[in-house]
Amino acid sequence: LAKTTQPISMDSYEGQEVNITCSHNNIATNDYITWYQQFPSQGPRFIIQGYKTKVTNEVASLFIPADRKSSTLSLPRVSLSDTAVYYCLLRKGSGYALNFGKGTSLLVTP
Amino acid sequence: GAVVSQHPSWVICKSGTSVKIECRSLDFQATTMFWYRQFPKQSLMLMATSNEGSKATYEQGVEKDKFLINHASLTLSTLTVTSAHPEDSSFYICSARDKSGSYNEQFFGPGTRLTVL
Repeated sequence: LAKTTQPISMDSYEGQEVNITCSHNNIATNDYITWYQQFPSQGPRFIIQGYKTKVTNEVASLFIPADRKSSTLSLPRVSLSDTAVYYCLLRKGSGYALNFGKGTSLLVTP
Repeated sequence: GAVVSQHPSWVICKSGTSVKIECRSLDFQATTMFWYRQFPKQSLMLMATSNEGSKATYEQGVEKDKFLINHASLTLSTLTVTSAHPEDSSFYICSARDKSGSYNEQFFGPGTRLTVL
């Protein structure tokens, strides 16, 4: 599975927009870009997934440039409860296994 | 959304004993379930892939005789840590693939904290 690289940690204040960028230079044609959120002592929770361009749901947006070698998770107006670890993963279209990297630890403060 | 449960949520056991962890998909059928392990401050590591009615596929470095996986039904997979030792203390997380879901995504359980004394 192709490897992803993302910042180890990020800090933000409440109410700000947070953008977490993930690099995946060796992304394959059939890879989907998937983001998960994990709170301490809990299982990961699916946030958003995309293949190209932009995807938006009720919690986040995902921006993917044309070359798909990177992606950016955008969290609008974060709150304290958004403090968590965010994982960027590549998932095969028809495959199953998820390869979790180190993730980005986001700390939101008042 | 799809819900995956785990039982127990935490367990403390003595060294040398065996511990069974259950993973259930509550509102969907999961032909494939996955078991992960997560040590403090580290990422999730895939241990094995479990397919209903067949033997589990273990990742390199995971002892299949120590971590017994059974996936006897479409909604239940179990992980048994045999002869547990303190180094097996970890957070064990299962996930299940919803084959009928639009994203073919995995839903994760809440995890089980195992502490071996």
